[in-house]
Amino acid sequence: NAGVTQTPKFQVLKTGQSMTLQCAQDMNHEYMSWYRQDPGMGLRLIHYSVGAGITDQGEVPNGYNVSRSTTEDFPLRLLSAAPSQTSVYFCASRPGQNYGYTFGSGTRLTVV
Amino acid sequence: AQSVTQPDIHITVSEGASLELRCNYSYGATPYLFWYVQSPGQGLQLLLKYFSGDTLVQGIKGFEAEFKRSQSSFNLRKPSVHWSDAAEYFCAVVVSGNTGKLIFGQGTTLQVKP
Repeated sequence: NAGVTQTPKFQVLKTGQSMTLQCAQDMNHEYMSWYRQDPGMGLRLIHYSVGAGITDQGEVPNGYNVSRSTTEDFPLRLLSAAPSQTSVYFCASRPGQNYGYTFGSGTRLTVV
Repeated sequence: AQSVTQPDIHITVSEGASLELRCNYSYGATPYLFWYVQSPGQGLQLLLKYFSGDTLVQGIKGFEAEFKRSQSSFNLRKPSVHWSDAAEYFCAVVVSGNTGKLIFGQGTTLQVKP
């Protein structure tokens, strides 16, 4: 049982490039979320999903897109990378509203 | 707007001493509350959660937390800290039950002195 798997673990992008951060879970969880973690700011919610085909914006959605075509996968797309998007990104999932989230190990993204 | 505040950015305790990490939330209804721990370079691990019922909840690694509605607080405690407890601790709240929006505080870094 792999849990929540994020790829890649590290990535360096140039300003203006696009990329997709992958997130997959094998626990059949309905709820999935993307967070970014920056020093002194805790984790801030980017986008979340309560099931396949359903997504919504979190606290800091600008510059990011998501889709949820399957229960297992919840990719995060950076449309045109900016240095302000340098951060550690975490994907998380949970089976329902009365459960805590299980987190992936993170993707460290640097935009130069 | 709903929010979570952890007043202490950094705390240092001696090994074997007791620990209390503070968390305050701003939310009208009874919230769903969580504490997570993050070791350096790692993801987050759930320590404990509160949804309803007994206001004192037990978690993993010897941690407990108490929900106090009158103070809008959910403080994390441990009677005797071990060096391995050095990490960053996050309090979090589900803003509304059926949306899954989990909002985090800024975190408290715990340093343990030998």
